[in-house]
Amino acid sequence: DGGITQSPKYLFRKEGQNVTLSCEQNLNHDAMYWYRQDPGQGLRLIYYSQIVNDFQKGDIAEGYSVSREKKESFPLTVTSAQKNPTAFYLCASSTRATGLLADTQYFGPGTRLTVL
Amino acid sequence: AQKVTQAQTEISVVEKEDVTLDCVYETRDTTYYLFWYKQPPSGELVFLIRRNSFDEQNEISGRYSWNFQKSTSSFNFTITASQVVDSAVYFCALRAPNYGQNFVFGPGTRLSVLP
Repeated sequence: DGGITQSPKYLFRKEGQNVTLSCEQNLNHDAMYWYRQDPGQGLRLIYYSQIVNDFQKGDIAEGYSVSREKKESFPLTVTSAQKNPTAFYLCASSTRATGLLADTQYFGPGTRLTVL
Repeated sequence: AQKVTQAQTEISVVEKEDVTLDCVYETRDTTYYLFWYKQPPSGELVFLIRRNSFDEQNEISGRYSWNFQKSTSSFNFTITASQVVDSAVYFCALRAPNYGQNFVFGPGTRLSVLP
């Protein structure tokens, strides 16, 4: 089945530690995205990538880092510099990030990160 | 600036009632797309519909219908004869060129359908 997988589903981190969230897609999509969702709020864009080895900051990139070494994978690292990392993180992908407004984003099941 | 407003934070209805979720958007672009997503308790966002700015026809899909009105910058979503399985958070989103063609999401409306 084609889709987006995120792991782990739940993640606990101690303050001061970096942690990496996994996102994999087998939809052959060029573009991938990371969003953060806080309780009662909408989604905010952290980073996005239109193509392998390229990525751009979104609205709230501070304290996060990403890589895009393979088309299928777009891991997100939450660094110790992120002051309030407890949130629900959603990964998405679409056929292309630009040039086609009609592209629909499809989402993974999310990772809930809690900092202890 | 691009912005999406969903003024209803939470709505509760009894099963079989009809319910309308409001979405108002702002953009200076003349070409743009609007989307609705559903987020059930499991957390994953599920795509429901996409509508482009040049197509103001209403759309119906089963118990779901959408009313797009450019004159009021609104893209409202109606569920007819609601069911308990409709309980979720619903997000309206906008995609327009002047925001790097990225999505702008509204804050969401939490719908609770009571048996």
